[in-house]
Amino acid sequence: QLQLHESGPGLVKPSETLSLTCTVSGFTITRNDYYWGWIRQPPGKGLDWIGSASYSGSDYYNPSLKSRVTISVDASKSQVSLRLSSVTAADTAVYYCARLSGSGSYEYYYMDVWGKGTTVTVSS
Amino acid sequence: QSVLTQPPSASGTPGQRVTIPCSGSSSNIGSTYVYWYQQVPGTAPKLLVYRNDQRPSGVPDRFSGSKSGTSASLAISGLRSDDEADYYCAAWDDSLSGRWVFGGGTKLTVL
Repeated sequence: QLQLHESGPGLVKPSETLSLTCTVSGFTITRNDYYWGWIRQPPGKGLDWIGSASYSGSDYYNPSLKSRVTISVDASKSQVSLRLSSVTAADTAVYYCARLSGSGSYEYYYMDVWGKGTTVTVSS
Repeated sequence: QSVLTQPPSASGTPGQRVTIPCSGSSSNIGSTYVYWYQQVPGTAPKLLVYRNDQRPSGVPDRFSGSKSGTSASLAISGLRSDDEADYYCAAWDDSLSGRWVFGGGTKLTVL
């Protein structure tokens, strides 16, 4: 049974780098036909896609965040990491990790399994 | 301002059929698949419908999706109290180098 568990600091200071980890269990993270992504949800607001990456090295990022985001897949630890630099209060949100399933070109992959999320607050 | 447009709220009584619309454009819904997610407050989103009208295993057939042109809709029949949740539509948008876009969410209240 696939499980995704997000973890990381719950409080980050403005201008610093937010680093989160998603631990994947019950599934082989190196499978080529899957991507791993991050989505966030500011308090009381809707969903905002951050980006996705595959074990083979393909990655896609939200153009509005691309200059600040890196997503990577670590097979040795079965983890997906997120790094978001130069954070501001606008980055305060619940951050979700998700598996993306599909086939063919990336636009046909979709988020089918989500973690429970982790809350990150940006404040001094 | 969300790229996909949904009404902020919808409601129905137990047993009723409710439809939640989602409006997009030629760069998203009009050119690719639509997905629907259910989010009970305080929990993670759950996939309800994929590729316009397909249900993952375990999702009751009371939930159905459809798409026409640049719009899509989620129908829930035989409404139950535990259907009370936020519902989001989503699609890949091929503008701005490509990105996933979501609707603003529709809060469904079961009266």
